[in-house]
Amino acid sequence: AQKVTQAQTEISVVEKEDVTLDCVYETRDTTYYLFWYKQPPSGELVFLIRRNSFDEQNEISGRYSWNFQKSTSSFNFTITASQVVDSAVYFCALRDMNYGGSQGNLIFGKGTKLSVKP
Amino acid sequence: EAGVVQSPRYKIIEKKQPVAFWCNPISGHNTLYWYRQNLGQGPELLIRYENEEAVDDSQLPKDRFSAERLKGVDSTLKIQPAELGDSAVYLCASRAGTSGRSIEQFFGPGTRLTVL
Repeated sequence: AQKVTQAQTEISVVEKEDVTLDCVYETRDTTYYLFWYKQPPSGELVFLIRRNSFDEQNEISGRYSWNFQKSTSSFNFTITASQVVDSAVYFCALRDMNYGGSQGNLIFGKGTKLSVKP
Repeated sequence: EAGVVQSPRYKIIEKKQPVAFWCNPISGHNTLYWYRQNLGQGPELLIRYENEEAVDDSQLPKDRFSAERLKGVDSTLKIQPAELGDSAVYLCASRAGTSGRSIEQFFGPGTRLTVL
């Protein structure tokens, strides 16, 4: 069975601090996708990044960076120099690469609530 | 380009009453999803449509929940009768195409349902 664990329920930091959100996943599939979504107070889930299981290169986008390690089944997300606007709930999700029936659906973690204080 | 539109944004009803939620996906997106998000949890899939066909409704509580997507565009999710445990945010998402090539799902703002 597929499972995504975000052990950090809530994190609070002061603006300009760096913060890392952890994500550990379980899957029997050898090919899969991993995602991060941001959910601000408005409620809409905003897509941030997608990685496939073939690509373990870390990625940086502005203040955001992602560390994908298959050996530890982790896909961690770091925000550098956090800002108040980063305050949101962040979700990690998993999807296998198959399609049809119940396959190909997103499995979400429970989310990590990040509060960035000025 | 307009995003996924949902209405209403908020709904408060008494238990045993019916309720319906509406979703209009991004134009041209063939695949549509309904999720339920309980407080403090991640979204969980209720049903997935490819065009007008429900291809995965295994998680939809069919005794009280129903959904339709008659013309393969907008969709309605209904609960009848609502129970206290149905209080949650109902999210709609859409994805371009019906093959596995288009991956990202785009979400609407959700409908927050409170059952009293």
